[in-house]
Amino acid sequence: QKEVEQNSGPLSVPEGAIASLNCTYSDRVSQSFFWYRQYSGKSPELIMSIYSNGDKEDGRFTAQLNKASQYVSLLIRDSQPSDSATYLCAVAGGTSYGKLTFGQGTILTVHP
Amino acid sequence: GAGVSQTPSNKVTEKGKYVELRCDPISGHTALYWYRQSLGQGPEFLIYFQGTGAADDSGLPNDRFFAVRPEGSVSTLKIQRTERGDSAVYLCASSLGGTSGGTDTQYFGPGTRLTVL
Repeated sequence: QKEVEQNSGPLSVPEGAIASLNCTYSDRVSQSFFWYRQYSGKSPELIMSIYSNGDKEDGRFTAQLNKASQYVSLLIRDSQPSDSATYLCAVAGGTSYGKLTFGQGTILTVHP
Repeated sequence: GAGVSQTPSNKVTEKGKYVELRCDPISGHTALYWYRQSLGQGPEFLIYFQGTGAADDSGLPNDRFFAVRPEGSVSTLKIQRTERGDSAVYLCASSLGGTSGGTDTQYFGPGTRLTVL
């Protein structure tokens, strides 16, 4: 079992729709959860971090964390073509301390 | 302010050669991380420095890989006797450091694309 798994892609949504990205993790004592966006040929860019159970909203982005289910998700509302990228879920803390453990990424395409 | 910088941006070398990859973190960041990313995969952790010392080097694949951060700022990742399987993008990240539980936000540099022929 991979330590961090993301829903397999690629995911394609029409412009204006909600894109839903999911991630599960195996280390129950993980404490910090991040979503990075990575455009092709570029480095990962942080878009959301979440540390407590529940929802966290930032503009069109909402991160959801459920530690009991070891599940974290990212919702993108009113998706735009510029949101087309690979989205990486990353987990830190607990037994892995400061290092980030990444999922394999989900490719999102938003088509006009 | 300036972000994390990495040099070179691209490095092509021949199998068996030695390479050095440099990372300059964000000023004031005490924690520095190296990751490796292969095509179609998420970044894979290599090593983490807190100040000058390696706090966790569990991700280094073998003894051909070594990293230093002698003054607690710039770091160099060194790869000896390169192999074709070492070809990847090597990413460096930095964070403020000093927190417990890994809650620091890590900021990534642009990466060095290493190609071993």
